[in-house]
Amino acid sequence: EVHLVESGGGLVQPGRSLRLSCAASGFTFDEYAMHWVRQVPGKGLEWVSGITWNSGGIGYADSVKGRFTISRDNAKNSLYLQMNSLRGEDTALYYCARVREDEFDYWGQGTLVTVSS
Amino acid sequence: QSALTQPASVSGSPGQSITISCTGASSDVGHYNLVSWYQQHPGKAPKLMIYEGNKRPSGVSNRFSGSKSGNTASLTISGLQAEDEADYYCCSYAGTSTYVFGTGTKVTVL
Repeated sequence: EVHLVESGGGLVQPGRSLRLSCAASGFTFDEYAMHWVRQVPGKGLEWVSGITWNSGGIGYADSVKGRFTISRDNAKNSLYLQMNSLRGEDTALYYCARVREDEFDYWGQGTLVTVSS
Repeated sequence: QSALTQPASVSGSPGQSITISCTGASSDVGHYNLVSWYQQHPGKAPKLMIYEGNKRPSGVSNRFSGSKSGNTASLTISGLQAEDEADYYCCSYAGTSTYVFGTGTKVTVL
């Protein structure tokens, strides 16, 4: 059974950094692209970033480009999101999601990031 | 990377059919046949309902169907049931390894 478990969220001051992790199990991790999607509580979904199976292709939303960095460690079955220069508008529940072809077929339960002084 | 446009809410009575629209641009919905739809119940993670415009993952009811015309994709739920009450989001590939979600639609079963 596919499991995605996010961690690393918490309360952080504006301008500071945070690193999210996503531990994957139940499938061959290095065969799939992985993405981060966020959701402000009570609001809609926003795609954040994605990375191909071999890290050869990476994309970012304009809202995080230059501040966030996605990476993965296939040996550890893990996905990461390094978030720098955090802003209040980055406050959200961050989901990691597996991509089958071009759709998000499995999602974690999310980790909450709160940016506030 | 502008969000795809969906109606804020759609409602229907049990047994009826409803359709949710998802309007994008010629650079995303109109260019790629890669629209997916997600159902999200309160407090839960999104669930994939439709991919590649009109394909259903294993386990998803055939009451859910998808289509596309030009820059607009649609999700139809037929034989509406109480359990279908949820938020629904469309998503499209937008090129250069980027994706864009819709604004979301709250479905209410009357």
